[in-house]
Amino acid sequence: QKEVEQNSGPLSVPEGAIASLNCTYSDRGSQSFFWYRQYSGKSPELIMFIYSNGDKEDGRFTAQLNKASQYVSLLIRDSQPSDSATYLCAVKEGGSQGNLIFGKGTKLSVKP
Amino acid sequence: NAGVMQNPRHLVRRRGQEARLRCSPMKGHSHVYWYRQLPEEGLKFMVYLQKENIIDESGMPKERFSAEFPKEGPSILRIQQVVRGDSAAYFCASSPAQLGFNEKLFFGSGTQLSVL
Repeated sequence: QKEVEQNSGPLSVPEGAIASLNCTYSDRGSQSFFWYRQYSGKSPELIMFIYSNGDKEDGRFTAQLNKASQYVSLLIRDSQPSDSATYLCAVKEGGSQGNLIFGKGTKLSVKP
Repeated sequence: NAGVMQNPRHLVRRRGQEARLRCSPMKGHSHVYWYRQLPEEGLKFMVYLQKENIIDESGMPKERFSAEFPKEGPSILRIQQVVRGDSAAYFCASSPAQLGFNEKLFFGSGTQLSVL
């Protein structure tokens, strides 16, 4: 059973701090990794994707991937109250027709 | 450029009725995925379709659930004889090609199914 694990939270950080969200996955054949943000009652919105080991930065967001440890993380710098949402980690299954396997999400709360 | 369109947004059914959920992918996208989300749970894959073909239905319950993506028109997720446990948010997502290194899924707004 291929799994994607995340701490459910809630993770609470003060405004302006760095929020660190973590995810582990079981399928060593996984090749692409995604972070989606989901506000309550809304649809998931893609914010980052990564497929090479190392860091990938986009504005206040940095995704980090370590395939040897089967670990992917998302850092949010200068956290804002508007970042308060559930963050879903998704992993593309290995194979040409693999679909995305999602974790249960980490709920982030940024306090003003 | 319109995004992924799902309708209805909210659907209420009584136990034993049929539910039909519709999804029109983004323009130029021919790959459709259906996911189900229970409260406080992650997204669970149900089925992956291309035009006129079911590619992967490993996440679909064996009974009462079916999906199609005809040559013309939207993709349909059909749930027959609904039960209370079917109450959930059903999300559709689309991509222009098979998910690879650079392909991404874009989600619709979802259909919230409530079974009374």
